[in-house]
Amino acid sequence: NAGVTQTPKFRILKIGQSMTLQCAQDMNHNYMYWYRQDPGMGLKLIYYSVGAGITDKGEVPNGYNVSRSTTEDFPLRLELAAPSQTSVYFCASGRQDYEQYFGPGTRLTVT
Amino acid sequence: DQQVKQNSPSLSVQEGRISILNCDYTNSMFDYFLWYKKYPAEGPTFLISISSIKDKNEDGRFTVFLNKSAKHLSLHIVPSQPGDSAVYFCAALESGGATNKLIFGTGTLLAVQP
Repeated sequence: NAGVTQTPKFRILKIGQSMTLQCAQDMNHNYMYWYRQDPGMGLKLIYYSVGAGITDKGEVPNGYNVSRSTTEDFPLRLELAAPSQTSVYFCASGRQDYEQYFGPGTRLTVT
Repeated sequence: DQQVKQNSPSLSVQEGRISILNCDYTNSMFDYFLWYKKYPAEGPTFLISISSIKDKNEDGRFTVFLNKSAKHLSLHIVPSQPGDSAVYFCAALESGGATNKLIFGTGTLLAVQP
């Protein structure tokens, strides 16, 4: 049981490039979330999903897109990367909305 | 506007003593609160929670106190151990939309000195 896995662990992007952050969970959780954590700040919700085929915006969705074609996977797409998207990105999943298990994070730098 | 506030960015405590981490919130509609612990290069892990119908919840060395009238909660760790050194996030559950969502504070870095 691997829990929540995220790839890659680190990535450096140039301004304007695109990439997909991968997130997978093997706990059969319906709820999945993407957060970003900027230095000295708490976690901010980007997007979330309550089940396959259902996604919705969180607090800071601009510049990102998500899809949820399976229960296990919840990729986060960055289009036209900007320096403001430099952050640590965490994916989480849970059986209930208050029960969230986090992945180890992806550290992204946009230069 | 920060709805969940942790005003102490850091705290240093001697091993064996009590650690008290504080959290304030502004939204009186929050009815469930959680504490998460985060080690460097890892994701946050759930530590303890409390419902607004209670004023205290205890789990081993960890106790969370909730003062609804003051919109304040605190996490007590007794006795503190070096392995407790981590960033602690307070979070509140916000109702609405397709699901309830967690609103996180900015975190407090706890250093337990041997």
